[in-house]
Amino acid sequence: DQQVKQNSPSLSVQEGRISILNCDYTNSMFDYFLWYKKYPAEGPTFLISISSIKDKNEDGRFTVFLNKSAKHLSLHIVPSQPGDSAVYFCAASALSGNNRLAFGKGNQVVVIP
Amino acid sequence: EAGVTQFPSHSVIEKGQTVTLRCDPISGHDNLYWYRRVMGKEIKFLLHFVKESKQDESGMPNNRFLAERTGGTYSTLKVQPAELEDSGVYFCASSQASRLYNEQFFGPGTRLTVL
Repeated sequence: DQQVKQNSPSLSVQEGRISILNCDYTNSMFDYFLWYKKYPAEGPTFLISISSIKDKNEDGRFTVFLNKSAKHLSLHIVPSQPGDSAVYFCAASALSGNNRLAFGKGNQVVVIP
Repeated sequence: EAGVTQFPSHSVIEKGQTVTLRCDPISGHDNLYWYRRVMGKEIKFLLHFVKESKQDESGMPNNRFLAERTGGTYSTLKVQPAELEDSGVYFCASSQASRLYNEQFFGPGTRLTVL
């Protein structure tokens, strides 16, 4: 039973434009959400996170939005750069669950120069 | 500061053989996690250590998998005997224990192929 879902497996975007990645979750116990970026043959790299007490967190070109009532979060990358081309994973955890991460299947992002 | 390291990077074994994967977490990180990604599926949690103690092993597939973290430093994950469905990429991650919510830092993974 997959608790974190990422639809639209791949996304192509022009350099300089906005990339928007979406993520839905089903477990209402999740209280911390993270986005990881992964290049081929490497492990996931932490990108940005948000706790359930917030609805937005911004770090440079990356912004994560959380809609708790809809159990939905999104990652905005603006402006997109060719180096952003990677697979992006949405992950969620619950403090009551010892912070183990539940991952989505990932979105492949290709930024076209 | 060195990141999480894993050894080997690749392993190809035959069904029925034994394989041991190793993970060295970031120095000072008490939390150590093992995850696995099977082809085409999401990354799934296997188990969690706090120092040398197993905190949660609810994700371990079956008793062919044995994880240890003697001394609370590096960890090993042994698969014995390996089956075809064990193929995948095994990731290790570590995090600090001092924060309420903590980002987990991942190693590059070990790609295991069972033939």
